[in-house]
Formats: sequence, structure tokens, C-alpha cells
Amino acid sequence: DSGVTQTPKHLITATGQRVTLRCSPRSGDLSVYWYQQSLDQGLQFLIQYYNGEERAKGNILERFSAQQFPDLHSELNLSSLELGDSALYFCASSPWTSGSTDTQYFGPGTRLTVL
Amino acid sequence: GNSVTQMEGPVTLSEEAFLTINCTYTATGYPSLFWYVQYPGEGLQLLLKATKADDKGSNKGFEATYRKETTSFHLEKGSVQVSDSAVYFCALTPNQGGKLIFGQGTELSVKP
Repeated sequence: DSGVTQTPKHLITATGQRVTLRCSPRSGDLSVYWYQQSLDQGLQFLIQYYNGEERAKGNILERFSAQQFPDLHSELNLSSLELGDSALYFCASSPWTSGSTDTQYFGPGTRLTVL
Repeated sequence: GNSVTQMEGPVTLSEEAFLTINCTYTATGYPSLFWYVQYPGEGLQLLLKATKADDKGSNKGFEATYRKETTSFHLEKGSVQVSDSAVYFCALTPNQGGKLIFGQGTELSVKP
């Protein structure tokens, strides 16, 4: 158990809908990362938050947004869903004490299926 | 830009065989290098890491050495077990930290 929790575990929805994925980082970790894992794109970085502020952005679509709250949990919002958004979404956390040498600890993921 | 290339799978081995999964990277500066493992139906777990040239990361019998001259971080294990069957991902974080950049993953299947 990494200490990172994600809810829900599975999500099935229809095209055009909006969903929210939730992540709670490990105790003491200030930085949260979101990744998308799909068969065609592999594992791709979406966005990073540090202590409530957006720190880095990857290949995140404009239909997707995220935030990190004062209690450090994070939410990833996906809207106007398309079939191609079906994927496994991972959250990871790290303390962000040493930048590039930090280890990121991953949650179990949320499997999103768009029908 | 930064990228990671892994040998393609699936790799099928018999129990107690020697394992090598090749990983090479492209990066500016001095990235940190990682191997993560994903067991069926689970999230990613850190297997080992190395943060500077010539460092050797090791865990659970797996090893990998950070080779800057060949920009490689190959994963090895002397004797694999059925329980090692999983997908293995090589990854780096750039010099300035932040996001992990992953290779495409290598599926390992170990037969009894």
C-alpha cells in the first residue's frame, strides 16, 4: 500500500458527460501528479500541483482541469467526455524536497470507461 | 527533448532464468532514473531508482546501473520467479524535477 488513495476505483459514463476523480496524497506529501494510462498513448503526465498551486502541465486537454485543495487532496475534472478518454487515471504524490530525485508514489488508479 | 525507450515485449522466460530488460534514455542535464512495476490489476510500484551516474539501484533481487556514457539503465535479475510476472516501466525525471517520463513498458511472463 503506497498510502495514496484514489476514488472511485471504476467509473462508467456516457459521451458528453463530466466526471470528477479524487486523490488523497500520502501523509506529509505536498505535491500531487496526475497521469493517464491508455493502450495507444502509454503513461502520460497530465499535471502537477504543489501545495495548492499548479506547478507543471503536460499533455492535458483543455476539457480537463484539476485543483489541489487546502487539505492537499486533489481532484481531476474531465468534461465533454469522448470515447478516447477511456483510460486508467493515476494520481501520485511526493514530498517535493529534492526535486528530480524525489520518488513519486502511485495510487491504485481510477478506470474510466466512456460509452 | 526527454524520452525513454524500452525493449519491446512481451518477454517470456522460464522460472530461474536470467532477466534483462533494456532501457535507454534521452535527456539534457542529469535526470534521475527509475524502474516501476505494475502487477495485473494494480497501480505502479517503485522497484528501484538511481539519481546520479554510476549509481546502482537494487531491490528484491533486481538491479540497474545508471550509465551516462551509454545513456542506459538496463534492469537485470539473476533468477526470475513466477511472481515477477508483471509490466515493467523505465522512467526518468528531468534535471529540474517534476513529471515522470515513461517508456512504453515491457510485459514479463515467467512460466513454471
